[in-house]
Amino acid sequence: NAGVTQTPKFQVLKTGQSMTLQCAQDMNHEYMSWYRQDPGMGLRLIHYSVGAGITDQGEVPNGYNVSRSTTEDFPLRLLSAAPSQTSVYFCASSQGPRVTFGSGTRLTVV
Amino acid sequence: AQTVTQSQPEMSVQEAETVTLSCTYDTSESDYYLFWYKQPPSRQMILVIRQEAYKQQNATENRFSVNFQKAAKSFSLKISDSQLGDAAMYFCASGGSQGNLIFGKGTKLSVKP
Repeated sequence: NAGVTQTPKFQVLKTGQSMTLQCAQDMNHEYMSWYRQDPGMGLRLIHYSVGAGITDQGEVPNGYNVSRSTTEDFPLRLLSAAPSQTSVYFCASSQGPRVTFGSGTRLTVV
Repeated sequence: AQTVTQSQPEMSVQEAETVTLSCTYDTSESDYYLFWYKQPPSRQMILVIRQEAYKQQNATENRFSVNFQKAAKSFSLKISDSQLGDAAMYFCASGGSQGNLIFGKGTKLSVKP
């Protein structure tokens, strides 16, 4: 089992560029989430999904879009990157209390 | 709002000794879970231990155990026989049935040889 796969692992963007962080899970989990981690902070929830076709906002959703067309995939889109979005991004999938994290994407916006 | 508070930004322990990391939380969920995660420099989020709030018995995993005080909304982590490999950031988190987690700001644990 691959678990939760995030790509890319590292990315540098220029201000105003757009990109999509990919997340895929092979555990047939209903729930998927995106978090960001900034220095000195714990992970903060950006968006989450309770199933295919259903998404909702978390604590820090501004500047990000998500969609969930399949159970397996939950991409995170940055429409116009800003330096404030420089962070480490984690995708997670869960079924009840069993939460599995991806290995993270370090994103730098210059 | 749901919150998780870790009041110790940094802790230090001597190898083979015991250390306790503190965590308090506040949640509106009636059915919730509590977690401790370890994050080494590789940034991987590693589950250390999980506690179901409806269980009165404190969870244990080898050298790791928790002291769960539901009324006080306290969830501390005890690491016994500390090892050099235990050095990392430790995050306390709470979550409901949907699996969305609220994290504390973390405690950086150093282990001295």
